[in-house]
Amino acid sequence: ETGVTQTPRHLVMGMTNKKSLKCEQHLGHNAMYWYKQSAKKPLELMFVYSLEERVENNSVPSRFSPECPNSSHLFLHLHTLQPEDSALYLCASSQVPGTGWNYGYTFGSGTRLTVV
Amino acid sequence: AQKVTQAQTEISVVEKEDVTLDCVYETRDTTYYLFWYKQPPSGELVFLIRRNSFDEQNEISGRYSWNFQKSTSSFNFTITASQVVDSAVYFCALRGGGADGLTFGKGTHLIIQP
Repeated sequence: ETGVTQTPRHLVMGMTNKKSLKCEQHLGHNAMYWYKQSAKKPLELMFVYSLEERVENNSVPSRFSPECPNSSHLFLHLHTLQPEDSALYLCASSQVPGTGWNYGYTFGSGTRLTVV
Repeated sequence: AQKVTQAQTEISVVEKEDVTLDCVYETRDTTYYLFWYKQPPSGELVFLIRRNSFDEQNEISGRYSWNFQKSTSSFNFTITASQVVDSAVYFCALRGGGADGLTFGKGTHLIIQP
């Protein structure tokens, strides 16, 4: 399997639940990203992992917790979410600039999250 | 701070018409990269093109063409002889010289009617 794979594709969770989104890339990239896409808002960069270390956290609420156990896997742990967190969550990967970045970012198909 | 503006929220044209999607960007970086992505209803972002700030040459790929003008900070995308399969949301994005991630515009929903 190639590309960036996200699971699950759809997720419905209650506000008191704990769930995790998973992203896996088979491209040999060493940087991974979480984006949030809400209705009528631009795609927002949430987290960046470069060489398995978090390098950017754009003031994301602590109810979102990322984890990058290795360069091929990225998780987004969710707990006590709010209805306004309902959105499409996209994962992407690339090479880190200076390590062979070919200027490309590859995106997964996303997880459609609904918080009820 | 970086910013990408796609002023056209939605465009609807009849098949075979030409259509141009506008993109205006703001950045203080002298080196930056501009992208266009297509998002079909299935959700994934499909890469269309990348442009470096030091390369203002316009590009044509089949029915697609891109017009990059640094003087007006614009990177517009034209589809010639549009087809129903071109219907999607199109995003313009910017990466600065130092940042790793992309800054996206709000997207333009393109509807091609048969």
